[in-house]
Amino acid sequence: DTGVSQDPRHKITKRGQNVTFRCDPISEHNRLYWYRQTLGQGPEFLTYFQNEAQLEKSRLLSDRFSAERPKGSFSTLEIQRTEQGDSAMYLCASSLLQGDTQYFGPGTRLTVL
Amino acid sequence: AQSVTQLGSHVSVSEGALVLLRCNYSSSVPPYLFWYVQYPNQGLQLLLKYTSAATLVKGINGFEAEFKKSETSFHLTKPSAHMSDAAEYFCAVNMRNAGKSTFGDGTTLTVKP
Repeated sequence: DTGVSQDPRHKITKRGQNVTFRCDPISEHNRLYWYRQTLGQGPEFLTYFQNEAQLEKSRLLSDRFSAERPKGSFSTLEIQRTEQGDSAMYLCASSLLQGDTQYFGPGTRLTVL
Repeated sequence: AQSVTQLGSHVSVSEGALVLLRCNYSSSVPPYLFWYVQYPNQGLQLLLKYTSAATLVKGINGFEAEFKKSETSFHLTKPSAHMSDAAEYFCAVNMRNAGKSTFGDGTTLTVKP
């Protein structure tokens, strides 16, 4: 069990550019979650997968955000046409069962200039 | 619907003193409840969780929390604070039939020597 990993750890981009983040969950976990965390706030739910199926998306998630988990293993989160308001820590988590403990990765910190 | 309120965004205690971090929740069904700790520039680490077994839950690093249904509370305590406990703490609720967790805004714990 190597834990949840995320890549990159830090990303600086210019407004209007596209960015993509990767998350590798704990290997036997079939549920994968994406959260966004801004300074002074708790993690905010974005979306989650059971295997390759995306089961829920937050209504706060704009059309510029898309997530995939093509083979039910790793996942990618893409943000198109980034805005300064997208600057945040993007956290990935995985769990074995619904409602079970979610194990978090170290996060990807995005800065949009 | 589910929500979490953490009373007190900042708590300061002296080393060796009691730590009490407050969490109240709202959930339409019996919830699972979690406390996580986050150190700077890191992901969230699980301290403890309540899943309807014993109402007093013991976690790592000497922390414990008590589930009180009548008060809809899940406060986190530690009898004696250590300097290493200084971090941000998040309470989270997960409805048993939902994938996502909902987090409070966090409490920053400062430990004074």
